[in-house]
Amino acid sequence: DIQLTQSPSFLSASVGDRVTITCRASQGISSYLAWYQQKPGKAPKLLIYAASTLQSGVPSRFSGSGSGTEFTLTISSLQPEDFATYYCQQRLTFGGGTKVEIK
Amino acid sequence: QVQLQESGPGLVKPSQTLSLTCTVSGGSISSGGYYWSWIRQHPGKGLEWIGYIYYSGSTYYNPSLKSRVTISVDTSKNQFSLKLSSVTAADTAVYYCARAGLGTAALLVLDYWGQGTLVTVSS
Repeated sequence: DIQLTQSPSFLSASVGDRVTITCRASQGISSYLAWYQQKPGKAPKLLIYAASTLQSGVPSRFSGSGSGTEFTLTISSLQPEDFATYYCQQRLTFGGGTKVEIK
Repeated sequence: QVQLQESGPGLVKPSQTLSLTCTVSGGSISSGGYYWSWIRQHPGKGLEWIGYIYYSGSTYYNPSLKSRVTISVDTSKNQFSLKLSSVTAADTAVYYCARAGLGTAALLVLDYWGQGTLVTVSS
């Protein structure tokens, strides 16, 4: 089974910061990786799929990159509404999550 | 705009069967093209696939839950359902229904989610 390891599990950042979250797969998964954002008490929201394709309606400050075993989600300029937990997903496997909090 | 809404009891007794239904609006389950999925999230924890169903009735279940899970679909009502038997406190979680893609690049990518429903297992 494929394992997805996210790092860091927690990060503290300020509005306007550039933030990068990494997701590492235990074996190569081509570009079959998605990213989700989840706010407290809400369902996850799809941000990116196929590693780098932005879901319709998602702000362009979000971007994804990578292939094979290493992937990144980047928020170019963190906004107040971006403080949330982020998950990567490959098919039936989710990463453990990265919580982004206000510094 | 596709919308999904979970419904069912919020409290289930240990050893009983958890039953939830997801009603889909804004799109037809029977049009194909998607897997209709159940995902759960234990309090303060990450996400776990339970399984999914295609409109034809074909299913996939998480091996760790397979012996206790049944997912069914009712295309006439545009609904799909989850049954989880012999529940324990470890099944206390928020249960989400969601739509998952079929295409290669979007296989099992979850683009629409219900709001989630907390199910507590307690006597």
